[in-house]
Amino acid sequence: QQPVQSPQAVILREGEDAVINCSSSKALYSVHWYRQKHGEAPVFLMILLKGGEQKGHDKISASFNEKKQQSSLYLTASQLSYSGTYFCGTEISDNNNDMRFGAGTRLTVKP
Amino acid sequence: NAGVMQNPRHLVRRRGQEARLRCSPMKGHSHVYWYRQLPEEGLKFMVYLQKENIIDESGMPKERFSAEFPKEGPSILRIQQVVRGDSAAYFCASSLGQTNQPQHFGDGTRLSIL
Repeated sequence: QQPVQSPQAVILREGEDAVINCSSSKALYSVHWYRQKHGEAPVFLMILLKGGEQKGHDKISASFNEKKQQSSLYLTASQLSYSGTYFCGTEISDNNNDMRFGAGTRLTVKP
Repeated sequence: NAGVMQNPRHLVRRRGQEARLRCSPMKGHSHVYWYRQLPEEGLKFMVYLQKENIIDESGMPKERFSAEFPKEGPSILRIQQVVRGDSAAYFCASSLGQTNQPQHFGDGTRLSIL
């Protein structure tokens, strides 16, 4: 039930773009994206619910494919503050008790 | 601060002792989740509670671990007779419990076993 994230790690220069993927073998009810900086709590970024949905948050946006089995997080013109580990959390129902997190993607943005 | 409050931030125990981790959910939230995170790894679900009820404890080890969320007071994650392998960061999250609501995380408790 745990989603699969890729890549495991990304290193960027400031201003470069990155894409982080989150995949499931089953159709999902929703996808949640979080960012965690070292030694801190995960911080909620956004939720996607509908197949084909795209949602933006500053220069960070995400999509949810039509089959609702894959979501991608897009980071454009990356800033140093984007560094951290990004997790997707996926739900397969609306029961509130089945969200499971991927292993995370570590993003490092260098000057 | 109306966010999720966890204490202590750091806890050191010797093997065989008990560890008690506390979590006060965000104001208005009645749903609490506990996760365990090893260094450089993801968030592993442990247990989901509502006030006075354990809804899903499928991620909890069957022995030594227990959780509660009483009518009054914080949620408690209790680890009895700790072992070195219990060393980890334990995060608590809370939500409104309604469909599609995000989970809001506390700053975690770093448990170290000597």
